[in-house]
Amino acid sequence: KQEVTQIPAALSVPEGENLVLNCSFTDSAIYNLQWFRQDPGKGLTSLLLIQSSQREQTSGRLNASLDKSSGRSTLYIAASQPGDSATYLCAVRRLGGNTGKLIFGQGTTLQVKP
Amino acid sequence: DVKVTQSSRYLVKRTGEKVFLECVQDMDHENMFWYRQDPGLGLRLIYFSYDVKMKEKGDIPEGYSVSREKKERFSLILESASTNQTSMYLCASRGRVGANVLTFGAGSRLTVL
Repeated sequence: KQEVTQIPAALSVPEGENLVLNCSFTDSAIYNLQWFRQDPGKGLTSLLLIQSSQREQTSGRLNASLDKSSGRSTLYIAASQPGDSATYLCAVRRLGGNTGKLIFGQGTTLQVKP
Repeated sequence: DVKVTQSSRYLVKRTGEKVFLECVQDMDHENMFWYRQDPGLGLRLIYFSYDVKMKEKGDIPEGYSVSREKKERFSLILESASTNQTSMYLCASRGRVGANVLTFGAGSRLTVL
């Protein structure tokens, strides 16, 4: 059974710091991995999607890496800003089937202090 | 801009009422999903649909049913609402080909009294 873990559960940093959020999964047979952002009381916004054949994806100040063999992904945020404060979730899509259900981690709640 | 629209942001219902949560997407996506999100439990899949009139149970289908009569609309039904169904409900959709990005709606916060 696939399990997804995100550590730490919460993180507080001063503005301007570079930071790394971690995501680990137990079964390396994944189709892809997706990182989301969620603001309080809102839905999820997709940030980056990494296919199983890829090693990393970049969007602006965000860079996500994937190491399937070790069951790990990291989300790197450069030069953090107060507007980056949110909960970040990773989700893995399993191989096989027509739909490929996503398994979500519990998320890391990030606070960036001015 | 592509969108997943959930009809109600906030609902308050009484125990035993029948509740309909509506979700509409404008991306011509085949796959649609209903999740619930609770503190400490994360997101859990209730039901998903991979085509019109097709549905499959997720991890926590008990107490829920769904309807997909048109490709763009996926409805979640609580036949008889209970207090333990108080939660945030999130609808999402994804195409069968292409980037396979899962796109979420804004969520529906349901309170059952």
